[in-house]
Amino acid sequence: AQTVTQSQPEMSVQEAETVTLSCTYDTSENNYYLFWYKQPPSRQMILVIRQEAYKQQNATENRFSVNFQKAAKSFSLKISDSQLGDTAMYFCAFMKDTGTASKLTFGTGTRLQVTL
Amino acid sequence: ETGVTQTPRHLVMGMTNKKSLKCEQHLGHNAMYWYKQSAKKPLELMFVYNFKEQTENNSVPSRFSPECPNSSHLFLHLHTLQPEDSALYLCASSPRDSGANVLTFGAGSRLTVL
Repeated sequence: AQTVTQSQPEMSVQEAETVTLSCTYDTSENNYYLFWYKQPPSRQMILVIRQEAYKQQNATENRFSVNFQKAAKSFSLKISDSQLGDTAMYFCAFMKDTGTASKLTFGTGTRLQVTL
Repeated sequence: ETGVTQTPRHLVMGMTNKKSLKCEQHLGHNAMYWYKQSAKKPLELMFVYNFKEQTENNSVPSRFSPECPNSSHLFLHLHTLQPEDSALYLCASSPRDSGANVLTFGAGSRLTVL
């Protein structure tokens, strides 16, 4: 079974600064997908970024980028130029590429507070 | 209309009540999911439906009864719940239940069992 670990329950960053959220996972699979989802106070889970394990290049979406280290099973999220609207819970998630299911395994989340 | 809509947003019920949560998606997706989100725990997958057929029941107690009348609607019928069932229940959908599809989530139904 897969497990996803987010070791930082809470983090704080000042507006315009950069912050990195950690995520490690455990799997015996070779092909899989990794995701970061954001859950703001509105509670709706929103996809931030997605990474295919077979791609060596780190995914980037505007101010959000990942540092994917497959051998270390590490998948951290970097948020640059933090904005107040980035305040949310951030969940790291893992999905097997079995071709039979789209089941996500989530971590426990990191609560990010962006301050003035 | 947002992609995935859940009602009600909040629900308080006694242990002997019967209530239902509703989820509706307007994305043309064929797979729908129920997740349970409790404080300080990872999201737990409860049920998966693919083209209206249940393809996953993650050992969920029978006091939770899902129903998927069509690919756009998903219900979670609740009866004889326990206080530990209090949680945020999230519905999600994806184009299909296979491959690495991105899930689109609703805003959840916050359930409190007294």
